[in-house]
Amino acid sequence: DAKTTQPPSMDCAEGRAANLPCNHSTISGNEYVYWYRQIHSQGPQYIIHGLKNNETNEMASLIITEDRKSSTLILPHATLRDTAVYYCIVIRASGGSNYKLTFGKGTLLTVNP
Amino acid sequence: GAGVSQTPSNKVTEKGKYVELRCDPISGHTALYWYRQSLGQGPEFLIYFQGTGAADDSGLPNDRFFAVRPEGSVSTLKIQRTERGDSAVYLCASSLTPPGHLNEKLFFGSGTQLSVL
Repeated sequence: DAKTTQPPSMDCAEGRAANLPCNHSTISGNEYVYWYRQIHSQGPQYIIHGLKNNETNEMASLIITEDRKSSTLILPHATLRDTAVYYCIVIRASGGSNYKLTFGKGTLLTVNP
Repeated sequence: GAGVSQTPSNKVTEKGKYVELRCDPISGHTALYWYRQSLGQGPEFLIYFQGTGAADDSGLPNDRFFAVRPEGSVSTLKIQRTERGDSAVYLCASSLTPPGHLNEKLFFGSGTQLSVL
């Protein structure tokens, strides 16, 4: 699976949009981009995933560049409860050992009042 | 239950002791996973069950670690002769769809913090 690169930490003001970048320059055509987050003392929580097109759900939006080498997770109106470590993970669509999520160290997003 | 339940939430043991960590997955989820998370690191894969069988145990660090899921629901992670380096948060996750499904999502429990003194 492709390796991802994320900044170790970011800050965001409460109520503002949080834009979390992820670089996955070696991604293959059949690999998806998944985002999970982990709030302190909890297990990781699924946020969103996508292949080529931008995706939006009730939690966030995912913007994937046309060449698919990078993506951005957008939390449109960050709240204090969004403070967490955010993990960008690339997973092959099927076959092999795609169930083995490789988390890396993620980005610690701190939302400030 | 509403989510993945792990017990105990905290376990303190002495070096050389045996421990068991329990995971109750979401009802109906056939796939179950164990991960281990050391301080400041992301979770690392240990073992994956599909039903009762361990489909992939390649992440288990050595033969002191063993996991079972006898009835295809509850799973127990067993660690023999614990060492201080085993101290970590042990996370369990389950999923409704089998791996490979495009919309597979893992649901994680809050983990068991294991401390080996």
